[in-house]
Amino acid sequence: EAGVVQSPRYKIIEKKQPVAFWCNPISGHNTLYWYRQNLGQGPELLIRYENEEAVDDSQLPKDRFSAERLKGVDSTLKIQPAELGDSAVYLCASSLSGGTSPGELFFGEGSRLTVL
Amino acid sequence: GESVGLHLPTLSVQEGDNSIINCAYSNSASDYFIWYKQESGKGPQFIIDIRSNMDKRQGQRVTVLLNKTVKHLSLQIAATQPGDSAVYFCAERPYNTDKLIFGTGTRLQVFP
Repeated sequence: EAGVVQSPRYKIIEKKQPVAFWCNPISGHNTLYWYRQNLGQGPELLIRYENEEAVDDSQLPKDRFSAERLKGVDSTLKIQPAELGDSAVYLCASSLSGGTSPGELFFGEGSRLTVL
Repeated sequence: GESVGLHLPTLSVQEGDNSIINCAYSNSASDYFIWYKQESGKGPQFIIDIRSNMDKRQGQRVTVLLNKTVKHLSLQIAATQPGDSAVYFCAERPYNTDKLIFGTGTRLQVFP
């Protein structure tokens, strides 16, 4: 079974440019997460979806970040315009509600963003 | 040691020895804890979890210990192997939330 798929793996852009990341979760997983991971630090939650509903977006900088999960399957995360401080790895994860291990998230390999 | 940016605490162990990775969590109201392993260039991978009504849980070659009195979590890896080399993160879930809060990682280096 395929894991969480993210693209692109790497993206280099100049500041003020837009960028978008795509995520396809594991089939059947109703919960989807976007995390940001700065170098040497743990992941920080940006947004969590239950099906197509964003149930926690309190940490998403809404002035420049947006996300959507149309049809409750794959998702996109957009930054417009990007700033130097947005350089990080953007991780997508999915999970199945009601499992015996509620903290078991399945992460993709991430999209590494470099803003110049 | 304290981690600042790139300077992750690092634990170096010899292959075959046991490893103990420690984590201090912040919220006394957290009721669920998880350990993740992250290899270079990959996303974090779930290892083991423990609920606050337990103080020990064992998996395959791994044991998690929870000391709620001092808000301390540890991950023990038996017979450490080169494939265990990675950064390890603990995560906590505050009571009555679905939010996972990841701590600062510890880099485990295994040498022959």
